[in-house]
Amino acid sequence: AQSVSQHNHHVILSEAASLELGCNYSYGGTVNLFWYVQYPGQHLQLLLKYFSGDPLVKGIKGFEAEFIKSKFSFNLRKPSVQWSDTAEYFCAVRSNQAGTALIFGKGTTLSVSS
Amino acid sequence: DAGITQSPRHKVTETGTPVTLRCHQTENHRYMYWYRQDPGHGLRLIHYSYGVKDTDKGEVSDGYSVSRSKTEDFLLTLESATSSQTSVYFCAISGEVQETQYFGPGTRLLVL
Repeated sequence: AQSVSQHNHHVILSEAASLELGCNYSYGGTVNLFWYVQYPGQHLQLLLKYFSGDPLVKGIKGFEAEFIKSKFSFNLRKPSVQWSDTAEYFCAVRSNQAGTALIFGKGTTLSVSS
Repeated sequence: DAGITQSPRHKVTETGTPVTLRCHQTENHRYMYWYRQDPGHGLRLIHYSYGVKDTDKGEVSDGYSVSRSKTEDFLLTLESATSSQTSVYFCAISGEVQETQYFGPGTRLLVL
């Protein structure tokens, strides 16, 4: 079965620090990869996605992610975080076993102090 | 934001009672999903639908049933609620296989 692993459960940063959140997936075939963000008390919103093409994907709010096929990784980055980036971040892969459903990692909570 | 609403937004119920959650979309999307979100588990798929009256089970389907009689509505029923079903339930939609999933606002369910 496909799985997604997020390495960091809770990350604490100061404003202006750089961010990198790790994500690894288990599937070796063609994948669709996503990063979603959930701000406190809100629903999930799409940050960025990778389907094919350029492995460096740019998303909203200055986030980007790099797909490295050889490492089965899709790490999320931001060069300078803001207090408003405080949220929970989920990496997800599209399943080949459940229609178009997504398999999520357990999430990483990011706390940014001002 | 995609046109997805969930009702109720909050519910408190007692063990053993049936509960139905509703997801309504205005996007005419083919695919609809129910996930539950629990601390330390991320989101896990309960059931999904790939068309009217076409549904299938997900990873954590035990104790849940679904129905989709219209494109716009996808109902999730807890046949006899248990405390382990206390969770936040999210509905999601997508148009076709390669399209992004968009999530509803969620329903927070407490089973006492």
